Amino acid sequence: EVQLVDSGGGLVKPGGSLRLSCAASGFTFSSYSMNWVRQAPGKGLEWVSSITSSSTYIYYADSVKGRFTVSRDNAKNSLFLQMNGLRGEDTAVYYCARGGAYSPDDFWGQGTLVTVSS
Amino acid sequence: DIQMTQSPSSLSASVGDRVTITCRASQRVNNFLNWYQQKPGKAPRLLIYAAFSLQGGVPSRFSGSGSGTDFTLTISSLQPEDFATYYCQQTYSMPITFGGGTEVEIK
Repeated sequence: EVQLVDSGGGLVKPGGSLRLSCAASGFTFSSYSMNWVRQAPGKGLEWVSSITSSSTYIYYADSVKGRFTVSRDNAKNSLFLQMNGLRGEDTAVYYCARGGAYSPDDFWGQGTLVTVSS
Repeated sequence: DIQMTQSPSSLSASVGDRVTITCRASQRVNNFLNWYQQKPGKAPRLLIYAAFSLQGGVPSRFSGSGSGTDFTLTISSLQPEDFATYYCQQTYSMPITFGGGTEVEIK
């Protein structure tokens, strides 16, 4: 059974940092691109970042470029999102999802809430 | 960036109704168009991928159609568990973009 478990969210002050993790199981993690998608409270879905299976290609939304860094550890079946310089508008539930360019997000984590507030 | 415009943004319908949601892309997306269902407090669920392919485990009352820039999600006979928010998504061009969502409410 494919499973994605998001973790690492919490309350952080503006300008602070947080590292999100996504633990994958039930499939060959190293063969798939992965995405981060977020959803601000009461708002729609916003794609944040994509990373290909071998980390060859990495993409970011303009809203996070230069502040967020996506990475993965295929040996540990894990996906990460390092978030620096956090702002109030980054407050959202962050989901990892299996998918990428030309692919649908067919499996999703349960999400982890990031709250940026003083 | 490819803009995805969904309509309507919300609708009220009754159990058994046929429901249609449209999604228009600002450029051609070559059928790399997906539909998701999301219920409050839950992660999105993939319903339709590549414009018209039904994801495994999804009831056959859901269908997708369209090509180029104009796409449609149809629920042939609305069931109580279908009241949710629906999103379209294009994965043809980076950045990946979602439509604004359509909330389907009980009439």
